[in-house]
Amino acid sequence: GQQLNQSPQSMFIQEGEDVSMNCTSSSIFNTWLWYKQEPGEGPVLLIALYKAGELTSNGRLTAQFGITRKDSFLNISASIPSDVGIYFCAGPRSGGGADGLTFGKGTHLIIQP
Amino acid sequence: DAGVIQSPRHEVTEMGQEVTLRCKPISGHNSLFWYRQTMMRGLELLIYFNNNVPIDDSGMPEDRFSAKMPNASFSTLKIQPSEPRDSAVYFCASRDRGDIQYFGAGTRLSVL
Repeated sequence: GQQLNQSPQSMFIQEGEDVSMNCTSSSIFNTWLWYKQEPGEGPVLLIALYKAGELTSNGRLTAQFGITRKDSFLNISASIPSDVGIYFCAGPRSGGGADGLTFGKGTHLIIQP
Repeated sequence: DAGVIQSPRHEVTEMGQEVTLRCKPISGHNSLFWYRQTMMRGLELLIYFNNNVPIDDSGMPEDRFSAKMPNASFSTLKIQPSEPRDSAVYFCASRDRGDIQYFGAGTRLSVL
């Protein structure tokens, strides 16, 4: 089945640093979603991407839909303590939302003050 | 909007007992999904419903797991009998149109 590979698995950074993470797949995805999960909570959508090459921002977050449709990137600028959490990429299992989402294993972001 | 509501938030039970997890999707959403999250396997889709009808249950681990959606505003995931390896966080998510799913806060299940 489709698999999403996220890297890095974890990041230990200083407050104020910029963060970059990515997600790759051997299969083509028509939609890329980025979620954030905080301790004790469910994943919350950050950014949705629908078109190859698309670059979308949400505050300090910027995500890009790779040209090949097999990868996506998420950047966080000027990190703050509340950015701590697990960031997941996800995509529809069969190209349409009705079949559920495939999730990457997540990137754990830890910020040292 | 109250979002997706799951109950209980935490469940501790003994091996062999029946466990029932509950979910109320966002009003108006016509698809509902059950996921399981573990450290080893991450987030896995167990089953999903469209318009209250189960569409794909291939992710359900075994016959001990069952799910129902008797109406558009309620779904249950039942494990009978429960085993220690079922310990995980179980999420419910709902969707209206498109690909975006909205998740509940999850139920943390511990089977002793």
